[in-house]
Amino acid sequence: GAVVSQHPSWVICKSGTSVKIECRSLDFQATTMFWYRQFPKQSLMLMATSNEGSKATYEQGVEKDKFLINHASLTLSTLTVTSAHPEDSSFYICSAKGQGRDTIYFGEGSWLTVV
Amino acid sequence: AQSVTQPDIHITVSEGASLELRCNYSYGATPYLFWYVQSPGQGLQLLLKYFSGDTLVQGIKGFEAEFKRSQSSFNLRKPSVHWSDAAEYFCAVGHTGTASKLTFGTGTRLQVTL
Repeated sequence: GAVVSQHPSWVICKSGTSVKIECRSLDFQATTMFWYRQFPKQSLMLMATSNEGSKATYEQGVEKDKFLINHASLTLSTLTVTSAHPEDSSFYICSAKGQGRDTIYFGEGSWLTVV
Repeated sequence: AQSVTQPDIHITVSEGASLELRCNYSYGATPYLFWYVQSPGQGLQLLLKYFSGDTLVQGIKGFEAEFKRSQSSFNLRKPSVHWSDAAEYFCAVGHTGTASKLTFGTGTRLQVTL
């Protein structure tokens, strides 16, 4: 089956710094990727939709200047958490959809801890 | 807007017993419905999905789910649970007109006792 990989799996950063999380589709071209956030013991909340070659579409309440999304190629989308604060600590997970596919595939997720 | 309700936060079953996890959705048209499983600290694995057709859907690992439009439900079942099934289970519905952008329920944590 299709594989979606995220990197890093775990990251700890200092408050005020920025951190980048990558989401790669390893064996298919992902025209669209989605970024979700999951706080401990809660469900996944969609943050934004990332389309290759265009600006991301953010869900209501998600700060686009804080969560920068770039989908520069058909196999890579990145989420950059800028000026991170402890309340940004969460599990971030991406999903990817390929051309002509009706199934989406999730990455393994990335744990972000801001200290 | 679509929404998903998983009424049971936590369920405990004995190994070998049957399992049913409940999921109710709110959506105006025929929904795209999914069940995912998440093991601790890991990503999501798709168990099964319903787009159209037969309302009883077979998935991986011996799971099945039945779409009941009249009840707005998509309950997940397994006849005999294995200890390795202990995990968090999420029901999800696709956003309007798409099977890609999902709204998730709050999840049900399954504990399996030996």
